[in-house]
Amino acid sequence: GAGVSQSPSNKVTEKGKDVELRCDPISGHTALYWYRQSLGQGLEFLIYFQGNSAPDKSGLPSDRFSAERTGGSVSTLTIQRTQQEDSAVYLCASSLVWTETYEQYFGPGTRLTVT
Amino acid sequence: QKEVEQNSGPLSVPEGAIASLNCTYSDRGSQSFFWYRQYSGKSPELIMFIYSNGDKEDGRFTAQLNKASQYVSLLIRDSQPSDSATYLCAVRSGGYQKVTFGIGTKLQVIP
Repeated sequence: GAGVSQSPSNKVTEKGKDVELRCDPISGHTALYWYRQSLGQGLEFLIYFQGNSAPDKSGLPSDRFSAERTGGSVSTLTIQRTQQEDSAVYLCASSLVWTETYEQYFGPGTRLTVT
Repeated sequence: QKEVEQNSGPLSVPEGAIASLNCTYSDRGSQSFFWYRQYSGKSPELIMFIYSNGDKEDGRFTAQLNKASQYVSLLIRDSQPSDSATYLCAVRSGGYQKVTFGIGTKLQVIP
């Protein structure tokens, strides 16, 4: 079936504006993860969902960041009052939860540029 | 101490050689271990996972896990220029679904 999809693929926004990033996981995957990757850096965990609930929000860098998931499927990551340091690639991944290893599959990412 | 440590590289190997990528982790309760390949400008792609001590082979790739030493490695045999990428080690701890990634090792295969 289809893989993880994310939209938009690229987003350029002005400092101070709000942005919404969308993730559509693989059908049937109940776990969903958001990561951020800055240029030349590793993956920074932001938040993960099991179904519609988020047991771990510890990675959200500030209260400007929020995420929700509805219907156990699509998730939206919202960044309010964007800052230049928010510029990065935002990656979404999904996984099954009844396998031995919970391997994650990534979407193509959204490249966010804050000017 | 970082939870998952990798040498950022670059690791340069000649075409046809064996590339050895290493990763150490701090949580003894870790249960699942993953290797992802990330080409420049692309998202990570899962290439191997392992959860039992020993070796797991898939084509030219072999993952090795030593839980006593908290060490996991990836061997790439007959390295090809197309293997040039950043290889991310990732570790899942306990019953928790959060996966922690290392910074990645950049591999360069020289023709």
